[in-house]
Amino acid sequence: GAVVSQHPSWVICKSGTSVKIECRSLDFQATTMFWYRQFPKQSLMLMATSNEGSKATYEQGVEKDKFLINHASLTLSTLTVTSAHPEDSSFYICSAIGTSGKTDTQYFGPGTRLTVL
Amino acid sequence: GQNIDQPTEMTATEGAIVQINCTYQTSGFNGLFWYQQHAGEAPTFLSYNVLDGLEEKGRFSSFLSRSKGYSYLLLKELQMKDSASYLCAVRDQKGYQKVTFGIGTKLQVIP
Repeated sequence: GAVVSQHPSWVICKSGTSVKIECRSLDFQATTMFWYRQFPKQSLMLMATSNEGSKATYEQGVEKDKFLINHASLTLSTLTVTSAHPEDSSFYICSAIGTSGKTDTQYFGPGTRLTVL
Repeated sequence: GQNIDQPTEMTATEGAIVQINCTYQTSGFNGLFWYQQHAGEAPTFLSYNVLDGLEEKGRFSSFLSRSKGYSYLLLKELQMKDSASYLCAVRDQKGYQKVTFGIGTKLQVIP
C-alpha cells in the first residue's frame, strides 16, 4: 500500500513556459501532500504543504504566484511552475501522508526532473 | 529553527555492518524518520522512532536517544544495492505532518 505516482517523470521546456506536475495517491486518500525540490547533492527542501480543499501553505522564500498548487481531490495535487526559467531546473518530488504501523509518514512519488532550456 | 547533522559520505565493505549517525536540534520533537534514496529516485521510508531505544527491521535497525538529540541507522550484512543516500528527518510538532530533512549520508558499499 501507500503508493504515490507522479507525472511526468521528466520534462524539458523552454524558458518562459509553464509546466504542470501531477501527484496522485493511488491506493489511499491523502488530505495532505507535500511538494519538495531537490538540487544535485542537496537535501530535500520543502516548498509547500498542499491541503485538500484549501490553499497551500508555502515555505519562506517560495513564491506562491510562481509555484501554483492545487489539491482538488483527496488523491490528486498539482504543482504548476509558471514562466519557468533555467534556475527552476531541479528534481521535484511530492509526498502524501499515509499510515505506516505506528504513525503517519510521508510516502514519496518517483519525482519529476524538470529541465528548463 | 531546525538543525540536523549527518556525515556527508561513508564507505563500507560488502557483508559488513555500518552505522550512520544523525544529531538534531529542534524546537520540539515528535518523531524521527530514516529514508533511503537511490540516485535520481525518490526517498523510500525505512524506519520511525519516537521513543528512546532500538527498533529492528530485518537488516536495518534505528536507534533514538531523545535526551541526546541523537539517532543512528544500523545496516547489517551490507549488500551492493545498499549503496544510496540515507536521509534523517525530524518531525517537530505533534499532530503536524511536516518534517525537516538532513542533507543525507551517501553510503558507498564496496566489494
